[in-house]
Amino acid sequence: NAGVTQTPKFRVLKTGQSMTLLCAQDMNHEYMYWYRQDPGMGLRLIHYSVGEGTTAKGEVPDGYNVSRLKKQNFLLGLESAAPSQTSVYFCASSYIGYGGTQHFGDGTRLSIL
Amino acid sequence: GENVEQHPSTLSVQEGDSAVIKCTYSDSASNYFPWYKQELGKRPQLIIDIRSNVGEKKDQRIAVTLNKTAKHFSLHITETQPEDSAVYFCAARGANFGNEKLTFGTGTRLTIIP
Repeated sequence: NAGVTQTPKFRVLKTGQSMTLLCAQDMNHEYMYWYRQDPGMGLRLIHYSVGEGTTAKGEVPDGYNVSRLKKQNFLLGLESAAPSQTSVYFCASSYIGYGGTQHFGDGTRLSIL
Repeated sequence: GENVEQHPSTLSVQEGDSAVIKCTYSDSASNYFPWYKQELGKRPQLIIDIRSNVGEKKDQRIAVTLNKTAKHFSLHITETQPEDSAVYFCAARGANFGNEKLTFGTGTRLTIIP
């Protein structure tokens, strides 16, 4: 049981390049989330999904897109990377309903030059 | 939307002493309050949580208290040990079904001095 797996773990991009971060969970969780973590700012929600085929905007969605084509996978895309998107990205998942604890992946450290 | 404030941002305590971290939230409808511990370079991990129908919860050296009237909740760590050094995040979640979002505080860096 791997829990929440993120790939890649590290990536360096040039400004304007695109890439996709993959999150996979094997806990049959309905809900999945993408956060970014910057120094002194905690965890900020980018996008989330309450089920297969659904997505919704979080607190800081601009410059990102997501897709949830399969229940176990949640993809985060950067269409045209900018230096302001340099951050550590965490994916999380949880059961549906009251009190669902969020389980986090190990994170992806992304640098945009 | 929900707003969560966390204090202090840094905290140093002598090994064996107690540490207290406080959070306030803005949405009176919030009903779930988890605390996460994040060691350097690692993922956030849940250490304790509390629901709005409970005032206090304990798990060995860790306890959380909730004051719904004042809209604040606190993490208490007793008999601190070096392995307690980490960044701690509080969070709050609203009550709307299908809107299962957590709003996190900005974190407290706890350092235990041997």
